Amino acid sequence: DAGVTQSPTHLIKTRGQQVTLRCSPKSGHDTVSWYQQALGQGPQFIFQYYEEEERQRGNFPDRFSGHQFPNYSSELNVNALLLGDSALYLCASQTGLETQYFGPGTRLLVL
Amino acid sequence: QKEVEQNSGPLSVPEGAIASLNCTYSDRGSQSFFWYRQYSGKSPELIMSIYSNGDKEDGRFTAQLNKASQYVSLLIRDSQPSDSATYLCAVNPVWTDKLIFGTGTRLQVFP
Repeated sequence: DAGVTQSPTHLIKTRGQQVTLRCSPKSGHDTVSWYQQALGQGPQFIFQYYEEEERQRGNFPDRFSGHQFPNYSSELNVNALLLGDSALYLCASQTGLETQYFGPGTRLLVL
Repeated sequence: QKEVEQNSGPLSVPEGAIASLNCTYSDRGSQSFFWYRQYSGKSPELIMSIYSNGDKEDGRFTAQLNKASQYVSLLIRDSQPSDSATYLCAVNPVWTDKLIFGTGTRLQVFP
């Protein structure tokens, strides 16, 4: 039973560029949430996708956008990258109100 | 006041001792509470979930919840060096699936 997978594992971008991160949920899960974890901090909720729509959103600017596909996989897009966007980006999946399980994360470095 | 507060540590305990990790939260209507373990450079891994007042035990781990005091704790019995990690407390606010995390407590278990 495959868990949550994310790609790529690491990414280096420069300021102003755009990035797309990908997530495949755990088998049987239909809801995907994205979190940003800065160094030394706890994960911060970005948004959640269910039935291909953004269901909830945290306190992140519109530069952060996402998408969910019919197979429940999801993408996180960040435009106009800032140095402060450097972080570990975590995808978590769940079904219904059950517990969220995290993928291995994508570490983004913005130079 | 932060929504979820944890002492950042480090909490240092000798091998075989009991480690006690604490967390307070501000949203009195919160319904679900979680403890995640995060090794350096890795993603959070679920250890325990608790939904009702009292204790919940799973192996060497015991989660304790006191909703009146808005307090959650995690006890680790017979601590091992492999337990050395950051422990994240997470809370589901009322009427939402998103997780609100504390900044984590770093636990060090020395031989």
